[in-house]
Amino acid sequence: EAGVAQSPRYKIIEKRQSVAFWCNPISGHATLYWYQQILGQGPKLLIQFQNNGVVDDSQLPKDRFSAERLKGVDSTLKIQPAKLEDSAVYLCASDSGTGGAWQYFGPGTRLTVT
Amino acid sequence: AQSVSQHNHHVILSEAASLELGCNYSYGGTVNLFWYVQYPGQHLQLLLKYFSGDPLVKGIKGFEAEFIKSKFSFNLRKPSVQWSDTAEYFCAVNAYTGRRALTFGSGTRLQVQP
Repeated sequence: EAGVAQSPRYKIIEKRQSVAFWCNPISGHATLYWYQQILGQGPKLLIQFQNNGVVDDSQLPKDRFSAERLKGVDSTLKIQPAKLEDSAVYLCASDSGTGGAWQYFGPGTRLTVT
Repeated sequence: AQSVSQHNHHVILSEAASLELGCNYSYGGTVNLFWYVQYPGQHLQLLLKYFSGDPLVKGIKGFEAEFIKSKFSFNLRKPSVQWSDTAEYFCAVNAYTGRRALTFGSGTRLQVQP
């Protein structure tokens, strides 16, 4: 089965610019997650979708970050405007949404804000 | 709120040495427990998981972990490491029911010397 796809793999932008990341989960997976992984730390949840609805966005900095999953399949995460502290790897993960499910992770997008 | 502690940040071993990586969690309810591994240049992959039942779980590549509820621990072990085990290892938990987003530890970087 195809894995979780993410693009781009790398992105370098200047502070105050905007950037968008794309994720396509494993086919049939109802639940999609975006995590932020800062160097030297474990991934931290930004937002969780169940189909096209938001389950948890309590840790999403909503003044600058937004995410959508309009058709319940692929998802976009946007940062506008970016800050230096947003430099991180942004990971997308998905699972089937059923009991006993575990998350499959994509390769991530490494963002550098200069 | 959940939290996960991994006390070993960087471990260096010689091939054939035994491995034990510590993981402790804090949570007031029943949890699912996971170990994920990230090999150099690759994405996060599930190594093993515990949902219920036998507290000693076996994963891929000869790894195992033991859930000790009284100690809130889920330590990862391997009797004899190989150079190919060089990677970063993350312990993670989520609630047994409901919200399935993972809370990760900060990771342990394992370096196996030939």
